[in-house]
Amino acid sequence: GAGVSQTPSNKVTEKGKYVELRCDPISGHTALYWYRQSLGQGPEFLIYFQGTGAADDSGLPNDRFFAVRPEGSVSTLKIQRTERGDSAVYLCASSSVSNEQFFGPGTRLTVL
Amino acid sequence: EDQVTQSPEALRLQEGESSSLNCSYTVSGLRGLFWYRQDPGKGPEFLFTLYSAGEEKEKERLKATLTKKESFLHITAPKPEDSATYLCAVYSGGSNYKLTFGKGTLLTVNP
Repeated sequence: GAGVSQTPSNKVTEKGKYVELRCDPISGHTALYWYRQSLGQGPEFLIYFQGTGAADDSGLPNDRFFAVRPEGSVSTLKIQRTERGDSAVYLCASSSVSNEQFFGPGTRLTVL
Repeated sequence: EDQVTQSPEALRLQEGESSSLNCSYTVSGLRGLFWYRQDPGKGPEFLFTLYSAGEEKEKERLKATLTKKESFLHITAPKPEDSATYLCAVYSGGSNYKLTFGKGTLLTVNP
């Protein structure tokens, strides 16, 4: 069956620009997570959705980051006024009641 | 705050040379410990979940074990295709289900 998909796979932008990253979870998974992974590090939690609502956004680094999941399926991570320090791989994961999170391939964001 | 420390940072083995990776954790109350495999340029691939001390799980050449302070990922007779970064993560419960990851162990298996 289809896994978690993320688009684009790569995104290059300039400092100060706005970007949107998309995640399409496994069908039927109600929980969706965003993580950020820097080189040589493990993934770091950003935000968690249960259904349409953000149940925990404590990992978002500042108010330039925002995420939505309007219909309880696809989610979009939005980053305003990008900075060079935002460069990383952004990972999306989804899970069902088992709590086992299945990850997508990630979006590599490069801010020039 | 939950903490996960993985060792060694990197491990180089010859094909067939068995070894173990370590994951030490500090959590307020462990509700689950997860092992993932990550290949370069890919997302983490789920391997195992362990829930309580003494639990063991196996998959092909991999075996994961759990104590109250650490988990081990044992690799028996590894092959070059086992080369990857192995990530350990913990879940301490509550309503958020977020995972706290270690930095991973980069395993290289030479033919």
